[in-house]
Amino acid sequence: RKEVEQDPGPFNVPEGATVAFNCTYSNSASQSFFWYRQDCRKEPKLLMSVYSSGNEDGRFTAQLNRASQYISLLIRDSKLSDSATYLCVVNPVGNDMRFGAGTRLTVKP
Amino acid sequence: DAMVIQNPRYQVTQFGKPVTLSCSQTLNHNVMYWYQQKSSQAPKLLFHYYDKDFNNEADTPDNFQSRRPNTSFCFLDIRSPGLGDAAMYLCATSIGYEQYFGPGTRLTVT
Repeated sequence: RKEVEQDPGPFNVPEGATVAFNCTYSNSASQSFFWYRQDCRKEPKLLMSVYSSGNEDGRFTAQLNRASQYISLLIRDSKLSDSATYLCVVNPVGNDMRFGAGTRLTVKP
Repeated sequence: DAMVIQNPRYQVTQFGKPVTLSCSQTLNHNVMYWYQQKSSQAPKLLFHYYDKDFNNEADTPDNFQSRRPNTSFCFLDIRSPGLGDAAMYLCATSIGYEQYFGPGTRLTVT
């Protein structure tokens, strides 16, 4: 089993749609969780950290379910500029980081 | 304003010819990472430094080495590049656990 698993997609949605991504992780001792965004041929950029209580940043909402070992990202009112690959990242121990393979999103007019 | 700088952005090397990729940061972060990312795959952690403490991933080939002479700089040395080492190499820094990535160096092996 991979340490971090994501549905690879692609997700093709119209502008204005709501889309949700899930990510599961295998190490129950993992402490920190993140969503990164990566545009084609660019470096990953931090989108948001994921906190136990859930957190929201504008149109983006992240949630963590420790019991089920999954993290979710919800994007509301999708924009064309949201088209990218979304990477789930888990910190299992110390400063180690484990990336999911990413979920590709295309938002269409 | 660049915070994590990688040089060169594109590197072409010959099969078996040693190559060094460099990363520098202006953030004064204590942790620096090197990742390898192949097309349509997740970034794969090769190793990281916590200050001067080096942490090698168990499955990182011996062909890959790293040096961190000071807080600001970190180098990735590939001693004998093979065709399978062609990839994007990403450097990242962090303080706490949020990472800041450089633009990457795309390595081509001919």
